[in-house]
Amino acid sequence: QQQVKQSPQSLIVQKGGISIINCAYENTAFDYFPWYQQFPGKGPALLIAIRPDVSEKKEGRFTISFNKSAKQFSLHIMDSQPGDSATYFCAAPAYSGAGSYQLTFGKGTKLSVIP
Amino acid sequence: DAGVIQSPRHEVTEMGQEVTLRCKPISGHNSLFWYRQTMMRGLELLIYFNNNVPIDDSGMPEDRFSAKMPNASFSTLKIQPSEPRDSAVYFCASSIITGTRLAELFFGEGSRLTVL
Repeated sequence: QQQVKQSPQSLIVQKGGISIINCAYENTAFDYFPWYQQFPGKGPALLIAIRPDVSEKKEGRFTISFNKSAKQFSLHIMDSQPGDSATYFCAAPAYSGAGSYQLTFGKGTKLSVIP
Repeated sequence: DAGVIQSPRHEVTEMGQEVTLRCKPISGHNSLFWYRQTMMRGLELLIYFNNNVPIDDSGMPEDRFSAKMPNASFSTLKIQPSEPRDSAVYFCASSIITGTRLAELFFGEGSRLTVL
């Protein structure tokens, strides 16, 4: 079974600051590590994901850093904006039988960006 | 294109009643997932279908929960009888999964269930 530990549980950042959310996973047969963003009353939506061929991936203000040896990965949000206020979930693959893998999600981080 | 469509968006029922949640996945997607979200436990995978066949139902809490996917465009999650501890937001998600390669999950807006 896959365990994904996400921290912090909540985060308050000043507008323009850097938001950092961390995740640790236990085991995986292959690497696909996505981050999902969820606004109140909505379903989660894919924000950014990383595969094993790189240790960092950047899309605009969002960056995933991946440390395979430590089994950790993190999300950095540069120049955080009030519109980034949401709950963020990391996820890691877990074997689910019949040759298939599914995602196990962290418990989420509620980010509040204050003006 | 329409995304994943779930109904009802909100359901309030009394303990012991049957609850049926419905999901229409994105056309062309071959995989469908039911997740449950609570403050305490976060997002939990309940069951996963691939090409309409249940692949992994190890997350289904107990026999009171059942899920079906009679065709590629429709799935139901049924709780009978419902209990207050089933109160949660239930999400349906769909994806295109080939082999063992994971891909983006597209979530619906969820069904908020309250069992009194």
